[in-house]
Amino acid sequence: GAVVSQHPSWVICKSGTSVKIECRSLDFQATTMFWYRQFPKQSLMLMATSNEGSKATYEQGVEKDKFLINHASLTLSTLTVTSAHPEDSSFYICSAPTVSNQPQHFGDGTRLSIL
Amino acid sequence: GENVEQHPSTLSVQEGDSAVIKCTYSDSASNYFPWYKQELGKRPQLIIDIRSNVGEKKDQRIAVTLNKTAKHFSLHITETQPEDSAVYFCAARGNQAGTALIFGKGTTLSVSS
Repeated sequence: GAVVSQHPSWVICKSGTSVKIECRSLDFQATTMFWYRQFPKQSLMLMATSNEGSKATYEQGVEKDKFLINHASLTLSTLTVTSAHPEDSSFYICSAPTVSNQPQHFGDGTRLSIL
Repeated sequence: GENVEQHPSTLSVQEGDSAVIKCTYSDSASNYFPWYKQELGKRPQLIIDIRSNVGEKKDQRIAVTLNKTAKHFSLHITETQPEDSAVYFCAARGNQAGTALIFGKGTTLSVSS
């Protein structure tokens, strides 16, 4: 079964709304989680690395003030897309390794549609 | 940082034929190379992976080869079936704790019967 739970699976909202996506590790503790974004017919692009108890590390070109990441516990990381606009519409997916240097487990992803 | 190149972007084969997808990576420190299959709207599914201390790994109809010197690795699918049709991604990762997978751009495989 899935070891990473991601919610919600689908969000449709108006431009200017902030949207929070949750990523939970089930049955294991994740000191690190990764957030990816995938536009249609494109690859998974790493947005940021979420670190429990410390600031996230963002990839070049990703606005940290727009994509707020909180990793307050060993089982939960959240990504908040602030003041979302149509260009933020995408498939957002989180992942975490169960143990360092082991395969990453992916959540089911969140399809975000901004009208 | 790591950069992964993947080819071809699309691949069409007849059922029963073999399919080969190739990837190259840039960071010699990378030591873990998984392959994922992704169906539309779903999360990537790990189908096979290989570590840098191994040159080849096989799982039924799927095999992966790794050439560390040349920094490239390949996915081989034999006796393809229509249900193999999907998007396939290669990825690479270093061995440091907290290192993320970096993905190739993907290959859309179409298997016609």
